[in-house]
Amino acid sequence: GAVVSQHPSRVICKSGTSVKIECRSLDFQATTMFWYRQFPKQSLMLMATSNEGSKATYEQGVEKDKFLINHASLTLSTLTVTSAHPEDSSFYICSASHRNQPQHFGDGTRLSIL
Amino acid sequence: EDQVTQSPEALRLQEGESSSLNCSYTVSGLRGLFWYRQDPGKGPEFLFTLYSAGEEKEKERLKATLTKKESFLHITAPKPEDSATYLCAVQSPSSGSARQLTFGSGTQLTVLP
Repeated sequence: GAVVSQHPSRVICKSGTSVKIECRSLDFQATTMFWYRQFPKQSLMLMATSNEGSKATYEQGVEKDKFLINHASLTLSTLTVTSAHPEDSSFYICSASHRNQPQHFGDGTRLSIL
Repeated sequence: EDQVTQSPEALRLQEGESSSLNCSYTVSGLRGLFWYRQDPGKGPEFLFTLYSAGEEKEKERLKATLTKKESFLHITAPKPEDSATYLCAVQSPSSGSARQLTFGSGTQLTVLP
């Protein structure tokens, strides 16, 4: 149980392209979804928290116009990196939780901007 | 502000050589301490949640313990497949109603055959 699916697993695209990443909870309803960024050999950095039907709450220093988050249903959240540039290249990971349950993570998306 | 420090940064063990990983934390009231395992290129996999000092949880070769200041992840007779990065995270009232996690930087464990 508690499976979170994240797609795509890898994206390579040109600078200026917008990229959408999907995060789905497959066997539970996710009241809250989280988006993280992870640099090589570093831990997870929380970017934003989203609740179904509400606007996402962004961490300090994260540009909300750059990283658009939509949590349209209890099983789906999307992160869109708008007009991506090489400095946006990173490993993006989503997680989902139901009420007080632990967060369960997707397998991440490796984003490479050329 | 919640702080989590994990040590060592990296640990190399021979197969069968038991050891412990440390997670020290500073929070204003602990709601929960979480252990995750992360394989290269993958998202973290949930292992344990501990809520109060003195609590212990076990899963196969892993045992997690908790005190008021730190948690240990004990690995008994590890196998090469236990090689991974082990992450510790805390949740506190400062996490708010969203129950956000503050992660440590992880311990990269390598078990040699």
